[in-house]
Amino acid sequence: KQEVTQIPAALSVPEGENLVLNCSFTDSAIYNLQWFRQDPGKGLTSLLLIQSSQREQTSGRLNASLDKSSGRSTLYIAASQPGDSATYLCAVRLGFKTIFGAGTRLFVKA
Amino acid sequence: DVKVTQSSRYLVKRTGEKVFLECVQDMDHENMFWYRQDPGLGLRLIYFSYDVKMKEKGDIPEGYSVSREKKERFSLILESASTNQTSMYLCASSRPDDLSYEQYFGPGTRLTVT
Repeated sequence: KQEVTQIPAALSVPEGENLVLNCSFTDSAIYNLQWFRQDPGKGLTSLLLIQSSQREQTSGRLNASLDKSSGRSTLYIAASQPGDSATYLCAVRLGFKTIFGAGTRLFVKA
Repeated sequence: DVKVTQSSRYLVKRTGEKVFLECVQDMDHENMFWYRQDPGLGLRLIYFSYDVKMKEKGDIPEGYSVSREKKERFSLILESASTNQTSMYLCASSRPDDLSYEQYFGPGTRLTVT
């Protein structure tokens, strides 16, 4: 059974710091991995999608990597800002099903 | 841009009521999904649909049913609401044919059953 784990569960950093969020999964037979952002009480916003054949994706200050063989993905956020404060979720897709991690709650202090 | 809308942001219902949650997407996606999100449990799949009138159970279908009469609309039905169905409900859709494409989420409906 596929399990997705995100570490740390919560993170507080000062503004301007570079940071890394971690996601691990137990079954490497995935179609893709997606990183989402969720603001309190809101839906999910897609940040980056990495296909199973890709190693990384970049969007602005965000960079996501994927290592299928080790079952790991990282989300790198450069020069963090208070507006980055949110919960970040990773999700792996298996056919029609997507398995979500519990998320990392990020707080960026001004 | 893909747009997924949900009929209500907040809903309060009484135990035993029949509840309808509606989701509409405007990008001709064939795949649509209903999830619930609870603290400590993350997102869990209730039902999904890969075409009109087609549906498949997800991981926690008990107490729920769904309806997909039109391609753009996917409804979640709580036949007799119970307090343990108090949760955030999220709808999503994805492009047809290619399972590698992204899921797009609606804003969510926070349902409280009293």
